[in-house]
Amino acid sequence: AQSVTQLGSHVSVSEGALVLLRCNYSSSVPPYLFWYVQYPNQGLQLLLKYTTGATLVKGINGFEAEFKKSETSFHLTKPSAHMSDAAEYFCAVSASWGGGADGLTFGKGTHLIIQP
Amino acid sequence: DAGVIQSPRHEVTEMGQEVTLRCKPISGHNSLFWYRQTMMRGLELLIYFNNNVPIDDSGMPEDRFSAKMPNASFSTLKIQPSEPRDSAVYFCASSTTGGSTEAFFGQGTRLTVV
Repeated sequence: AQSVTQLGSHVSVSEGALVLLRCNYSSSVPPYLFWYVQYPNQGLQLLLKYTTGATLVKGINGFEAEFKKSETSFHLTKPSAHMSDAAEYFCAVSASWGGGADGLTFGKGTHLIIQP
Repeated sequence: DAGVIQSPRHEVTEMGQEVTLRCKPISGHNSLFWYRQTMMRGLELLIYFNNNVPIDDSGMPEDRFSAKMPNASFSTLKIQPSEPRDSAVYFCASSTTGGSTEAFFGQGTRLTVV
C-alpha cells in the first residue's frame, strides 16, 4: 500500500519569495514520485518526476524537487515565486508493478497563493 | 497529438438518470485511468485498464458505477442511477506501460447531479 501526505492545504508566499511545498510518502516498494500542477478548470499537468538516479529533479517552470529516502520526502521548491505559479499542486506516488502502470496515489493537494 | 480527450466537459443531470462519460486516450498509450476529484476526498483512482483489460476496480465506489474499454482508443464511465453525491470532476488519464511513466490527464468532466 502507498500513501502521500502533503503538509498544508494552503501555502501563501510573496511574489519573488521561495516556494516550498511539502510532500511525504509511504510505499512498500521503491517509489516513483511525481508532482503535478492543476490550474483552475484544467486537468493535471506534470511538473516533474523522480524514477531512479539523481535525487534532485528539475522540472518545468523553474520547479525542482529532491527525493530523500531517509526522510521519505519529496518536497517541491522554486527559488522565486511568480504570480503565474498560483495553482493547486499535487504530489503523487506510484509503485512499480510488473507489466503495467498501476495508477497514481495522490496527496490531498496544496493550494499555492502568490501575494503581490 | 491532441492529448487525452474527454466528453462532455460539463454534465448536469437529474438524480436517478444514467450518465455516461467518455474518454479517448493518447494514441499508443496502453494504460487508462479514471479518477474522481472532490473537495472532500481529493483525487481518487476509480479504475484502471491495461491493454483494454480492467486491472483494478477496487476504487469504484458502488455497483452503480461501471467502466468499459471496448478498444484501445475509447473508454466510458457510466453511473446508473446517478445520485447527488456523485457530483464531482471526473478525470481520464492515459500512460504507457510502467510505473515510472507519468499519466497524461484530460481536461475532466464536471458532473452535477441535482
